[in-house]
Order: sequence, then structure tokens, then C-alpha cells
Amino acid sequence: AQTVTQSQPEMSVQEAETVTLSCTYDTSESDYYLFWYKQPPSRQMILVIRQEAYKQQNATENRFSVNFQKAAKSFSLKISDSQLGDAAMYFCAYRSAAPGGGADGLTFGKGTHLIIQP
Amino acid sequence: NAGVTQTPKFQVLKTGQSMTLQCAQDMNHNSMYWYRQDPGMGLRLIYYSASEGTTDKGEVPNGYNVSRLNKREFSLRLESAAPSQTSVYFCASSLDSLRSPLHFGNGTRLTVT
Repeated sequence: AQTVTQSQPEMSVQEAETVTLSCTYDTSESDYYLFWYKQPPSRQMILVIRQEAYKQQNATENRFSVNFQKAAKSFSLKISDSQLGDAAMYFCAYRSAAPGGGADGLTFGKGTHLIIQP
Repeated sequence: NAGVTQTPKFQVLKTGQSMTLQCAQDMNHNSMYWYRQDPGMGLRLIYYSASEGTTDKGEVPNGYNVSRLNKREFSLRLESAAPSQTSVYFCASSLDSLRSPLHFGNGTRLTVT
């Protein structure tokens, strides 16, 4: 079974600064997908960014980018120019791409609470 | 475009009572999921339905049952609620069971006293 570890229960950053959230995962599979979800106080789960394991290029979505290190099984999220609206819980998640392996959805880490200091 | 709709948003039950959480999606997705979220635990899978007509247990299925009523609807039933089932419950759906991301409902906060 795959596991996802987020080692930072809480992070704090000054507004307009850059912050990196860490995520590592354990898998014996070679093909999979990785995701970052954001959960603001409204409780809604919002997809931030996703990465296909077979792609070497790191995914980017506006101010959000990832550093995907497949050999190290690491998938960190970088938020540039942090804004007050970025304050939320951030969850890293894994999905198998093996035939039949992704049927059970995503495996989540325990989350990192991001605080933005004005 | 409603996406994934869960009802109710909040519920308080007494120990031993039963209830059904409803979930419907209007995105023509094939796969649907029920997760629970507890403080410090992330989201854990209760049950899932990879396609209409199939359901399977996830990581924490004890005390729950599910029904995939049709392609749109996937309900979660607590037959005899226990305080350990106090949690926030999320329904989610995805286009397929392989590469698509999950789209989530807004959650149900359930308290069992």
C-alpha cells in the first residue's frame, strides 16, 4: 500500500514571500499521479496542481509550482508571492496509474496548515 | 454547474441512531467515493464505487454501508451511530478510476453524542 507523508504540520510565511510545503511518498509503482489540494476554512477541497509521474517537467499553475523528484519520492509545493487567501490546509495526495490500481481514489497525507502573516 | 452536492451540511445524532448521507454529482462521472476527515488524520477512504453497480471497501469501512443508486448518486449509511463516527464526511467523484483528479462536495459535519 502507498503512504504519503507531510512532515510539516504547520508552516508560517510573510505575505508576498515564498513558501515550500514538503511531501514524500512511498510506492513500488512506476506510474502514478500526484496532487496538491487546498482546504480553506470553508472546508471545500480545491485542486491546486497535479503531476504525472512519467513527466519529468515540473507542473506549474500561476503562483503554484512543484518540485517533483521521482527517485527521491518527493513532491513539494512552492507558493510564490504568498497572499492572504492562500491560508489553508494543504494536502498532498497519490493516485496509482496501474491497471485497476487507481480505482480506490487518492491516498492523502495528513496535511500542512499554512498561515500567512500580513 | 453544481458539481458534487452533499446533504445535509450538518447533523447531530445520538448514539445508536441511524442516518443516510446523500451525495449526487452532475458531471457524468463514473467513480464516486466517501471519505472521512478527522483532525490530524487527513482524509481516509470509507467506501468507493469505481463504476455504476459496483462498491468496494476502503481503509475504514466498519460501521458504514453504501449504495450506488445510479450513476449520479452514492449514499453513505450509518446504521447505529457511535461517537467514534464524529467526523467531517466528504463525497467525491472522478471521471474515471485511473488518472482523473477527484472533485469534492462541501462536506457534512456529523456529531454523535
